[in-house]
Amino acid sequence: DQQVKQNSPSLSVQEGRISILNCDYTNSMFDYFLWYKKYPAEGPTFLISISSIKDKNEDGRFTVFLNKSAKHLSLHIVPSQPGDSAVYFCAALLGSGKLIFGQGTTLQVKP
Amino acid sequence: DGGITQSPKYLFRKEGQNVTLSCEQNLNHDAMYWYRQDPGQGLRLIYYSQIVNDFQKGDIAEGYSVSREKKESFPLTVTSAQKNPTAFYLCASTTSTVPNGYTFGSGTRLTVV
Repeated sequence: DQQVKQNSPSLSVQEGRISILNCDYTNSMFDYFLWYKKYPAEGPTFLISISSIKDKNEDGRFTVFLNKSAKHLSLHIVPSQPGDSAVYFCAALLGSGKLIFGQGTTLQVKP
Repeated sequence: DGGITQSPKYLFRKEGQNVTLSCEQNLNHDAMYWYRQDPGQGLRLIYYSQIVNDFQKGDIAEGYSVSREKKESFPLTVTSAQKNPTAFYLCASTTSTVPNGYTFGSGTRLTVV
């Protein structure tokens, strides 16, 4: 029972263009949604989050949108840079403190 | 600097052996977590502990054991009962403060030989 799903295993974009990473969830009880970035053989690092009562949060080149009616969130990266190439995990936080992760999307930004 | 230290970075285990992965944090975080990463499956929760001397099973606890005798330490033992232990293991810690979520260690790659 996958509560958080990232249906696109990979995404390739040109440098300078927009990257859009998508995530769907099934549990309406999640309090926060977070995006993590991960390089091979390293731990994930926190990127940006959004409260379940918000519909948008922006931090520099990164913006997360939350559509509660569709149980969908997305991460927009504008403009994309080659250093953004990594695996991106969507995660949802329960009130108990447990984080539930999606499967991850590998982003490749081509110079 | 505060952070989470996982050791060793690479670990090789013979079939039938138990091995213990170390996780130490100096962030004064109450809660600690162990995740396993497999290709295409994201991060799956093995065990977690929200307070010293207490821990709960996650989604894939079979074949694993943990202890939480100190706030700073949360070692994970991969027992011989774990049939497919080859994976990348990640330890994390957090306070109850959001929205920064968890702080992760750099991981341990376990390979069965």
